[in-house]
Amino acid sequence: QVQLVQSGAEVKKPGASVKVSCKASGYTFTSYDINWVRQATGQGLEWMGWMNPSSGNTVYAQKFQGRVTMTRNTSINTAYMELSSLRSEDTALYYCARGDIIVERPYDPWGQGTLVTVSA
Amino acid sequence: SYELTQPLSVSVALGQTAKIACVGNNIGRKNVHWYQQKPGQTPVVVIYKDGSRPSGIPERFSGSNSGITATLTISRAQVGDEADYYCQVWDSSSWVFGGGTKLTVL
Repeated sequence: QVQLVQSGAEVKKPGASVKVSCKASGYTFTSYDINWVRQATGQGLEWMGWMNPSSGNTVYAQKFQGRVTMTRNTSINTAYMELSSLRSEDTALYYCARGDIIVERPYDPWGQGTLVTVSA
Repeated sequence: SYELTQPLSVSVALGQTAKIACVGNNIGRKNVHWYQQKPGQTPVVVIYKDGSRPSGIPERFSGSNSGITATLTISRAQVGDEADYYCQVWDSSSWVFGGGTKLTVL
C-alpha cells in the first residue's frame, strides 16, 4: 500500500539543526510531490514547503526561507527536511505528505509525524 | 500572502447538520480541500476540489465553494465526527491552510 514512514523523534538544543526523513513505498516516488507540514501542540497545520522528487525543485514558505532545506535520495525513495537555527517555537510534530500541484491533488497519504523538541 | 479564515469552533446537535466555513479572497475560483483530524491522528482528506468525496468517506460529508466562502457540510452529525477540520487551497505556488475549526457534537 502507499505509505510514507518518517524517522523517529528528535530532541535538539536551540541553535542546532534537525533533519527528518520520509521514506516512500507503494508508488513511484518521482511521480508525486512531497510536502512538509508542521503542527505545534494544540495548534493548526502550517505548510512549510514542497519538493518535486523528480527534479529536486523546491518551494519554501516565506516564513521558513533561509532556514529550511528539502532534499531527496531517489535511490532509496526518501525525502528529507532539514531545519536549522532551531528555537523553542519550532517544537512541533513534523509531517511529510504526498501531493501533486499539477492537478492540485490533496495530500494523501501523510507520514506518521516526527516530534521535534527544541529545549536547552 | 493568501489567507483562509475559519471559525475556531462549531457545535452541532447529534443528528443535525453542521456547516464549517472557510473564507478567502475569491476562494470560489480555487480548488478547496478539506481535512479531518481526530486527536492523536494524522489528517485525512474528506472533501477534495470543492465537493468531491474520496472513497470511504460517508455521503454525509459534502462541500461547496462560491464567491469568498467555501463550506464543508456534515449531515446527520455523529459523535465520531468530532474533530478538527482544515480547509486548504493552492495559491501563488504555495499551499495554504485555514486555521482549523473544532467540531463538537452535542
